[in-house]
Formats: sequence, C-alpha cells, structure tokens
Amino acid sequence: DAGVIQSPRHEVTEMGQEVTLRCKPISGHDYLFWYRQTMMRGLELLIYFNNNVPIDDSGMPEDRFSAKMPNASFSTLKIQPSEPRDSAVYFCASGPNTGSGNTIYFGEGSWLTVV
Amino acid sequence: AQKITQTQPGMFVQEKEAVTLDCTYDTSDPSYGLFWYKQPSSGEMIFLIYQGSYDQQNATEGRYSLNFQKARKSANLVISASQLGDSAMYFCAMSPYTDKLIFGTGTRLQVFP
Repeated sequence: DAGVIQSPRHEVTEMGQEVTLRCKPISGHDYLFWYRQTMMRGLELLIYFNNNVPIDDSGMPEDRFSAKMPNASFSTLKIQPSEPRDSAVYFCASGPNTGSGNTIYFGEGSWLTVV
Repeated sequence: AQKITQTQPGMFVQEKEAVTLDCTYDTSDPSYGLFWYKQPSSGEMIFLIYQGSYDQQNATEGRYSLNFQKARKSANLVISASQLGDSAMYFCAMSPYTDKLIFGTGTRLQVFP
C-alpha cells in the first residue's frame, strides 16, 4: 500500500518567493495533518483537516502560511512570501477516523531551505 | 493544557541490552492515545507502538513495549535487545480528545557495540 506522499522532497528557494508543498494522504484516511520540524521548536502541528475541512489552524505561524485540502486525496501548504526562518522540514501525515486511538502515518517530509 | 515531557535529551545503551525511554504526559481528557515514533538520521517518522488510555494491558510490538502507568501519567518505551539500527531520535506523542497528535521534544538514543 502506498504511504503518505509528499512533494517536493527538497526545495531551496530565495527569500520572498512562494513555496507550495504538496501531500497525498493514504487512501481512506479522514484526517490530514501538517507538521513543521526545526531544531529549535521540535515538531509543531500547523493545521489539521477532517474530511477535507480545516479543524484547527492555531499552529499556523502567520498569514504568510495557508493550507488547503480541495479533495480527499490532495492537500497543499503554501508559504508566501517565504522567509529564511521558514527553513524546516515539513511533514504531512494522515490517519483514519477518530484521532485519539488511531495511528497517524507520516510522509517522508519536505526539506525546505529559504536563502 | 495537554503536554508531553521527555526529560532525557540523550541516552546510550550497549548492543543487546535493554533501554527505557521516559515519557510523561498531562491531559484532562478521559480518552486519549499514546504513541512512540522513531526518527532515524534519514529523517522519516516511523510509527512504533500505540497504547490506548483504556487498554488494560501494556502494548507490545516485537522488541518494543510500552510501560503504561496511568495514575502516574507515564508511558515509557522499553526497547529490548538493542541493535545498532535502533540509534535514532525517539518521540513520545499523545492524541487527546481533540484528535491532534502532540509530540514531546524527543530522546536521542545511541546504541554502541
């Protein structure tokens, strides 16, 4: 079975440019999560969706970040404009219905460097 | 507020020995899940083991077991017969009623020959 698929795996971009990260969750999973990992802040939940609807976006750092889930098989995380402090690994994860008690599975991450 | 605490930034263990990685949590939700993930140097997050708050028995998955002490709010990971390939970061996580997974800061485990 295919796992969570993220693209791009690595991206280097210049400050001020728009960055779009993509995620395809595991088929049948109702929950989709976006996490960011940095050395300083560890793993932070940015936003999560249930049945394509954003449930909690309190972790989104600022208005430069936006996330969408137009259908059950695709989500994007967009940063516009990007800044060097956005450099991090961005993970997408998905899980079946009811988060408490069900495992979520991670993609391999998108390694973003903003110079 | 929900919180996960991992107090050991780093641990060392000799190959073939057992090691315990500590995790405590705080939540007021009666129903929650506890998880451990492994992150090797390659960066991916690998699910290891899950424990439900109402599960009576400690979870086990091969060489991994979760020592769940509900009254003490602890969910320690025990790795038996450590292998060199176990060297990695290990994250404890909790999923409370709100369904989102909250992570601790991680413990870096080094297995030496």
